[in-house]
Amino acid sequence: EAQVTQNPRYLITVTGKKLTVTCSQNMNHEYMSWYRQDPGLGLRQIYYSMNVEVTDKGDVPEGYKVSRKEKRNFPLILESPSPNQTSLYFCASRVLGQGATGELFFGEGSRLTVL
Amino acid sequence: QQQVKQSPQSLIVQKGGISIINCAYENTAFDYFPWYQQFPGKGPALLIAIRPDVSEKKEGRFTISFNKSAKQFSLHIMDSQPGDSATYFCAASKVAGGSYIPTFGRGTSLIVHP
Repeated sequence: EAQVTQNPRYLITVTGKKLTVTCSQNMNHEYMSWYRQDPGLGLRQIYYSMNVEVTDKGDVPEGYKVSRKEKRNFPLILESPSPNQTSLYFCASRVLGQGATGELFFGEGSRLTVL
Repeated sequence: QQQVKQSPQSLIVQKGGISIINCAYENTAFDYFPWYQQFPGKGPALLIAIRPDVSEKKEGRFTISFNKSAKQFSLHIMDSQPGDSATYFCAASKVAGGSYIPTFGRGTSLIVHP
């Protein structure tokens, strides 16, 4: 089954304790991206990647890091989480180039609470 | 700067009614205009999408109307059902080439009362 898998789905942590949210897709998509969803603000892009070893900032990158060492994985790293990073996070992927339709495939989401 | 403006923020409709959500975009280079549907506890999923070479696309009870000159597009849900209650996001991007990064509207929370 084609899917984007995020872990953990729920996490409560404390300020300053480093954490990583993993994202893996099994569709061989070139493009992967992280979004955060907050009430009234919709989906805001944090970072995106066009391919292995290629990453770039989205609209709200402060406080986050990413890496793309393998095509299927795109982890989101919070080096020193703060309460304003409490949010619902989504990973998404899509095809680029030949065969592209424009459709984004989303994971189920990771709800993060920083105390 | 918000490149895709979506309205209304919330919408309440009676069962059997028509739900209409509107979006306006700024970048004329966009060539892919999807609507995503998100149920509570789930990720957004593509509902329906349109390319700018047509003015309307219909899939069952869901229709996108597209006005290229006005840079607007809308989602119409006919015969709205309680199961349609969800958050709807419009977006705009390019399928290939530059600007492939999608820009999302802020979402519309739709409640359909039985």
